[in-house]
Amino acid sequence: DQQVKQNSPSLSVQEGRISILNCDYTNSMFDYFLWYKKYPAEGPTFLISISSIKDKNEDGRFTVFLNKSAKHLSLHIVPSQPGDSAVYFCAASADAGGTSYGKLTFGQGTILTVHP
Amino acid sequence: SAVISQKPSRDICQRGTSLTIQCQVDSQVTMMFWYRQQPGQSLTLIATANQGSEATYESGFVIDKFPISRPNLTFSTLTVSNMSPEDSSIYLCSVEVTGVGEKLFFGSGTQLSVL
Repeated sequence: DQQVKQNSPSLSVQEGRISILNCDYTNSMFDYFLWYKKYPAEGPTFLISISSIKDKNEDGRFTVFLNKSAKHLSLHIVPSQPGDSAVYFCAASADAGGTSYGKLTFGQGTILTVHP
Repeated sequence: SAVISQKPSRDICQRGTSLTIQCQVDSQVTMMFWYRQQPGQSLTLIATANQGSEATYESGFVIDKFPISRPNLTFSTLTVSNMSPEDSSIYLCSVEVTGVGEKLFFGSGTQLSVL
C-alpha cells in the first residue's frame, strides 16, 4: 500500500519557467511533509517542509502548498534552473511532534529535467 | 548540520554472502535510521538504530536478514545477510539532528548489486 504517491515519474521544463511537482497521500495521520532532492550517487538533501497546520511555506524559489482536504501537496520552483535537474522525493511523517521525526514515508520520486 | 560518511559507496556481491555497511557521523546523534531504495522505487525505512538498545524494525524487515549494530552515538552498521539478487538496492544511512531546521540528514548511500 503506497501511502505517498508521486504519479508523475518525470517532468521536463524550460529554464526560467515554473516547475510544479505533485504528491498525494492517503494516511490522514501524516502531520509533516517534506521535499527532498537527490542527485545521482548522492543521498537525498532536504529542500523544504510544511506542517499540517499550514497551507503554504516559501523558501526562496521553492514553495510548498498543502491541501489537507484533498490530501495533496505540491512543490513549485520558480524560476526553474538547469541545476534543479534531479530526482525530487515527497515524504511524510506521522510523528513529527513525537519521538521520531526520521520515520519518513517517501513517494517514488519525480525526475525533473530543466532545459537551458 | 551533520556530515555522514557511508562505506562502501558501492559493491558487487555474490549470492549467499553478506555485506556490512558502515555509517559514521561527525557528531553525536540519538536517532539513526537505515533506508533502502530498490531500483525505480521509493525510499523505504528498514529500521531505527538507537544506541544502547536493539534496533526497531519496520514491517517486512527482520533482524536475521538485516542485523544492525549501534555501539556508540556516532556509528552504526547494517549487514545484509545471505544476499540474493532481490537485495540489489541503494542502502542509505540517515540521522536525526534536533534543534535545526533540516532535521534529517542522509549519507551518500551504498549501491549494492548482487549477482
